[in-house]
Amino acid sequence: ETGVTQTPRHLVMGMTNKKSLKCEQHLGHNAMYWYKQSAKKPLELMFVYNFKEQTENNSVPSRFSPECPNSSHLFLHLHTLQPEDSALYLCASSQTSGVPDTQYFGPGTRLTVL
Amino acid sequence: GENVEQHPSTLSVQEGDSAVIKCTYSDSASNYFPWYKQELGKGPQLIIDIRSNVGEKKDQRIAVTLNKTAKHFSLHITETQPEDSAVYFCAASRGGSARQLTFGSGTQLTVLP
Repeated sequence: ETGVTQTPRHLVMGMTNKKSLKCEQHLGHNAMYWYKQSAKKPLELMFVYNFKEQTENNSVPSRFSPECPNSSHLFLHLHTLQPEDSALYLCASSQTSGVPDTQYFGPGTRLTVL
Repeated sequence: GENVEQHPSTLSVQEGDSAVIKCTYSDSASNYFPWYKQELGKGPQLIIDIRSNVGEKKDQRIAVTLNKTAKHFSLHITETQPEDSAVYFCAASRGGSARQLTFGSGTQLTVLP
């Protein structure tokens, strides 16, 4: 266990559904990240939050909406997704002050959009 | 932005042999280079990292080398074991308050018994 948990682990949804992914870190970190991992492609950074403030949005479509209510919790709200959004969504956290600032990943949510 | 290329995409070795995975990066300002191992059904886990002020780092059977001039770094696994079978990712970052890692495309390592 890395100290980063994600729920649910698997999710199947239709294109008209609304669902949310949840991430929680128990490491006392102040930065949290969402990544998308598709087959045979590098991990793609989606969003970065540092001290609850969004510091990066890598041109992610608005059908993905992140929320970071505190430094320990991160959500990804999903609505009107497309089949090409099917992927493994990974959450990570890190401590941005001091060295090292390694990113620790959760196990991911396997999302299938029908 | 940063671009990281990783080779090979698949690698099979006999148990006990060594495995080497190579990555190149494009941003000369990158200064942090972690390697992650991802087993089936799990998220990536850090196995070793190196910073630009050192050229080599070892941790038991795993070592990483960095050549800043050539902008490439490599992962070396010696005395491979079946449990080393996984996907390995390299990454690079130029730092900042929240490091933004750029990942390579991954190497599927299979250790044959």
